[in-house]
Amino acid sequence: SYELTQPPSVSVSPGQTARITCSGDGLPKEFAYWYQQKPGQAPILIIYKDTKRPSGIPERFSGSSSGTIVTLTISGVRPEDEADYYCQSSDTTNTYRGIFGGGTKLTVL
Amino acid sequence: EVQLVESGGTLVKPGGSLRLSCAASGLIFSNAWMNWVRQAPGKGLEWVARIKSKTDGGTTDYGTPVKGRITISRDDSKNTVYLQMNSLKTEDTAVYYCARSSYGDYGESAFDIWGQGTVVTVSS
Repeated sequence: SYELTQPPSVSVSPGQTARITCSGDGLPKEFAYWYQQKPGQAPILIIYKDTKRPSGIPERFSGSSSGTIVTLTISGVRPEDEADYYCQSSDTTNTYRGIFGGGTKLTVL
Repeated sequence: EVQLVESGGTLVKPGGSLRLSCAASGLIFSNAWMNWVRQAPGKGLEWVARIKSKTDGGTTDYGTPVKGRITISRDDSKNTVYLQMNSLKTEDTAVYYCARSSYGDYGESAFDIWGQGTVVTVSS
């Protein structure tokens, strides 16, 4: 089994670019997904299959992948982007196991 | 509108049992693979369990911390997925979300629809 590791926090000023990384040994084999969660709310899927964006998600959210690291990039950060962001993947080595990273708190200064 | 509504969360003593429900509407529930994901106070998300559709075998899978104590099941006639939790521990205290597994172009490993959660508190 493996784990997903994220930085606990990232801070940026409005209009800047935020990058949140997620590392895991299984990521070259399994897709990664990203969720945004604001206080008191359920998570929302914002990136699927490493790089794809669901309909309705702003274009400033993008994902990339390189080996054991996937990255969520938020371009032109807005104050409303302040939230917790979680990466997620799966481990199908034996049976299915869903895996979440520990989450990254994005603070918009 | 697609909606998942959880219920059944409450205060329960350590060692006790509880059954959570998640009622779905606005989707073809019988085709959906359903999950439970929990979030302890101030902590991150933790996947708990998944059940496939009956047409895909109805297979169940569980996260390591809950294996042996938790059972996920479904009643397609009621568009509802359940989580039976036994031998509850204080560390099971969390908001419990139900979430649908994605399908099609999204693949089957994302959670594309979430409920608002139900709160389970395990305390004496």
